[in-house]
This record gives sequence, C-alpha cells and structure tokens, in this order.
Amino acid sequence: QKEVEQNSGPLSVPEGAIASLNCTYSDRGSQSFFWYRQYSGKSPELIMFIYSNGDKEDGRFTAQLNKASQYVSLLIRDSQPSDSATYLCAVLIQGAQKLVFGQGTRLTINP
Amino acid sequence: GAVVSQHPSRVICKSGTSVKIECRSLDFQATTMFWYRQFPKKSLMLMATSNEGSKATYEQGVEKDKFLINHASLTLSTLTVTSAHPEDSSFYICSARGSGGLDGYTFGSGTRLTVV
Repeated sequence: QKEVEQNSGPLSVPEGAIASLNCTYSDRGSQSFFWYRQYSGKSPELIMFIYSNGDKEDGRFTAQLNKASQYVSLLIRDSQPSDSATYLCAVLIQGAQKLVFGQGTRLTINP
Repeated sequence: GAVVSQHPSRVICKSGTSVKIECRSLDFQATTMFWYRQFPKKSLMLMATSNEGSKATYEQGVEKDKFLINHASLTLSTLTVTSAHPEDSSFYICSARGSGGLDGYTFGSGTRLTVV
C-alpha cells in the first residue's frame, strides 16, 4: 500500500461547481497534511495545510481532515478554469522531516 | 515571506558534462533543504534531504556519487549532476524548510535539465 494515495483522475468539473479532491494516507501517526497545486511545467505551490481534525477554510478552498479515517480532502468552491492543474496531497510522516507526496489528481475545469 | 529561488530555470548540456543547480532561501534560514525529481505526468520523487553543515541523506536508489548535494550555508544548497546522460533529463525541484513552522515547506521554481 502506498503511503499517500490519490485518484490520478483526470477529474472534470464544470465551471462554477465544487471540485472535490481526496487523499488517503497509511501512517496513522501522521500529523500534518498539505495541499499543493502544480501547473504544467511549473513547481508546486502551497494552497494550504491542516493538522487538526475538521475543516479549514481559506477563500474558495476548504481542507477537511479526518484522522480516524486517515482521509484528507480539498474542496474548491466556484471552480474557475484557472483552477485546472494537478493537485498534490502531501503528508508529513511522524518523526520525519520530509513530506511524502501522493501521485496527484489532474483537475480540469470546463468553461 | 518564505521565498526560495532556484537557478537556472532551464539548462541544456552535453552528455558527459556536469551541471550545478542552486537553491537559495531568500528571506529565511533554511535548516533543511530537499531535492526532488519529477518526470512528465508523474509525482515528485524525493532524491535527498540536506541539513546545513552535514552530509545529505539520500533516498534509496539515488546514486550519491552522481547527484552531489552541498548545503554549506543556511541559505544555499546545490545539486550537481555529474557526468550527465540523457536519462538524467528531468525537472529538478528544491524545497526549503526553515525553523518557523509548517508553512516553511516552500518550493523553488524548478530546473528543467535536458541532456543531449
């Protein structure tokens, strides 16, 4: 089992709708979780991080964490074509410095 | 805050030569830097973790003699691809972490290496 798993997609969402991206992780001791957005040919940029159970909102983005289910998600409200990118979930493994990345979900917002 | 500069952004080199990539933290002290490699349409693969003043820790399967990492100061880490071959062509990205918390995992802009 991979340490961090994401559905590779592609996920296609109409403009204005809510895009829902999911990520599961295997290390129950993981403490911190990150969502990055990566446009083609560019490096990842941090959208948000979360470390407490529940929801964390930042503008159109909401991260949701459920440690009991080892599940973290990212919701994008009012999706825009500019949100089309690959979204990477990353987990800070307990006791380690490094982030472990999922394979990424390719999201396409259709005008 | 938390800006990481990476140079060069693109480099083309001949097979057999060496290429150095620089990663600098501009407004914070990076106690730890990470080097990743990414193939097209694939996720990031961690190559090594470097802590200032000590030897880098390489991930399994990464040749330390081929990918030389130096982290001589709190603001600069370098990755040298030695005796480059076409299969080393890839997108190399650094990431830096300061001592200031979870938002310190910042990525550089990446370097597209093409070996011809």
